[in-house]
Amino acid sequence: DTGVSQNPRHKITKRGQNVTFRCDPISEHNRLYWYRQTLGQGPEFLTYFQNEAQLEKSRLLSDRFSAERPKGSFSTLEIQRTEQGDSAMYLCASSLDYRAETDTQYFGPGTRLTVL
Amino acid sequence: AQTVTQSQPEMSVQEAETVTLSCTYDTSESDYYLFWYKQPPSRQMILVIRQEAYKQQNATENRFSVNFQKAAKSFSLKISDSQLGDAAMYFCAVNQGGKLIFGQGTELSVKP
Repeated sequence: DTGVSQNPRHKITKRGQNVTFRCDPISEHNRLYWYRQTLGQGPEFLTYFQNEAQLEKSRLLSDRFSAERPKGSFSTLEIQRTEQGDSAMYLCASSLDYRAETDTQYFGPGTRLTVL
Repeated sequence: AQTVTQSQPEMSVQEAETVTLSCTYDTSESDYYLFWYKQPPSRQMILVIRQEAYKQQNATENRFSVNFQKAAKSFSLKISDSQLGDAAMYFCAVNQGGKLIFGQGTELSVKP
């Protein structure tokens, strides 16, 4: 399978704990995106990377959130001191970088986070 | 700011018939792409079709086609010969500086 993969698929945690999610993009893709999707809503952009550089962060990404892509391959999204409002599906997508504005993003299966 | 609006939270279609899902958007960009994604229950989002804004011709992918009206900023999806496997949430999206702005989705059910 050469698609976007995400781990874990499900995560249940208690409020105040830290969690980390991983995304492995399609191998030749230079761009990697993180989105958050709450029940019944469309995905909302969080941040994206061009290789290892984080180029943009949404204001939705509070100081408790941090994302990395250290070697320009896989990426991690960490949430510190989780809150119940962080409960959502976290989606990762990747794309080629021939022209960012017109690029097609391919999505992973997502990580569903439940904060108790 | 760009916005995407899907005014139909739910739609229903009989198997083998045709259904159209609506989407309007707002953008200040002159060149952009529009997308329809499908998200089956508990499954990942997959690309259905994409449209380049500078192209007059409407995109088509097998049973899926779009009606793109640039002046009206309208981008509807037509599904012909609907199948049970088409049942899913459908999201319209516009590409803004690399990131996607999504609508709230339309839940499509297909009746046998």
